[in-house]
Amino acid sequence: GQQLNQSPQSMFIQEGEDVSMNCTSSSIFNTWLWYKQDPGEGPVLLIALYKAGELTSNGRLTAQFGITRKDSFLNISASIPSDVGIYFCAGHHSGGSNYKLTFGKGTLLTVNP
Amino acid sequence: DTAVSQTPKYLVTQMGNDKSIKCEQNLGHDTMYWYKQDSKKFLKIMFSYNNKELIINETVPNRFSPKSPDKAHLNLHINSLELGDSAVYFCASTSQGWGTEAFFGQGTRLTVV
Repeated sequence: GQQLNQSPQSMFIQEGEDVSMNCTSSSIFNTWLWYKQDPGEGPVLLIALYKAGELTSNGRLTAQFGITRKDSFLNISASIPSDVGIYFCAGHHSGGSNYKLTFGKGTLLTVNP
Repeated sequence: DTAVSQTPKYLVTQMGNDKSIKCEQNLGHDTMYWYKQDSKKFLKIMFSYNNKELIINETVPNRFSPKSPDKAHLNLHINSLELGDSAVYFCASTSQGWGTEAFFGQGTRLTVV
């Protein structure tokens, strides 16, 4: 099946630092989504991207749909302790089923106060 | 009001038993999913139903049988449970097949002993 390569696998940062994570694919994607999962909870959608080149912000979060449609990044500015969690990229690849959302393997973020 | 609710949240059972996990969404969505999250936190789609019809079955053993009595419910029945079935199972729903704005339940942590 389709694979999304998400990096880094984990990050340990100090409160106030900026964070960047990204996802790449060997095939073209039609949509890119970024989710956050808190411990013991289900993933929650943070940002959805639908067009190549699209740059979208949600508070301190910014994500972009790569112009080649094969990658996306998520930036978090001025991190705070509640940013801790697992961040997943996800998307629908071109030519695949519209009903299948493929997930990256996640980035575990730890923020030290 | 919980949008996507799963029961039970925790399930501990012995090998060989049969168990069911229930999922209900009150969002009016027409597509529902089951995902499996393993110990490495990788999210993998198992099944997708659209308007009570099976759309995706991702090479899941026959011991797993989803049932959708109506488009607001998607239950998962597992026969002859094995140790390797231990994982967190997430139900999700979307308003259309694109999977945008996918809402996830809180998950069911299944432990087979």
